[in-house]
Amino acid sequence: GQQVMQIPQYQHVQEGEDFTTYCNSSTTLSNIQWYKQRPGGHPVFLIQLVKSGEVKKQKRLTFQFGEAKKNSSLHITATQTTDVGTYFCAGAGGTSYGKLTFGQGTILTVHP
Amino acid sequence: DSGVTQTPKHLITATGQRVTLRCSPRSGDLSVYWYQQSLDQGLQFLIQYYNGEERAKGNILERFSAQQFPDLHSELNLSSLELGDSALYFCASSSQGTGNTGELFFGEGSRLTVL
Repeated sequence: GQQVMQIPQYQHVQEGEDFTTYCNSSTTLSNIQWYKQRPGGHPVFLIQLVKSGEVKKQKRLTFQFGEAKKNSSLHITATQTTDVGTYFCAGAGGTSYGKLTFGQGTILTVHP
Repeated sequence: DSGVTQTPKHLITATGQRVTLRCSPRSGDLSVYWYQQSLDQGLQFLIQYYNGEERAKGNILERFSAQQFPDLHSELNLSSLELGDSALYFCASSSQGTGNTGELFFGEGSRLTVL
């Protein structure tokens, strides 16, 4: 079945440093979504990417979808303590009809 | 507030028991998804319902079952509970049911502890 791998599992940064998490799928995706889960909270939707090579920005966050639609990345510029949490990518497509497969998540810690 | 309501928030029970988790989706959403989140497994997809019908199935154990009722609320039944079933169970809803899942709105989760 479809597998979505996400690295790194953990990332500790000093406030102001940049952060990137990477997501790779074993199969071609129809779309990929990103979610953020604050400690003790529930996943909250950030963005969806659909097109090959697509790049979207939300303030300090930049999301990319690979040309082959099998990988994606989330980059945060100049992290803030409010960025703390777990970032998940979630892919859909191929034989996983109706099923969104989540990566393991990257736990981001920001030290003030 | 995502608009998705899950009850109970916390549940402690013993091995071998059976529990039911309930989810009310956002108003107007026809799709309900169930996910299991444990420390070492991330978010595992269990099952999806769309307008009362099962639409997709993940790694859901035979001891687990779910259904979506005519009023669109959903229940996840977990039986013959084992210690390893202890986890956070999330329900999510979306307005779409085919192909592109669209944005998922997650409830706050039901934390199940099996002793």
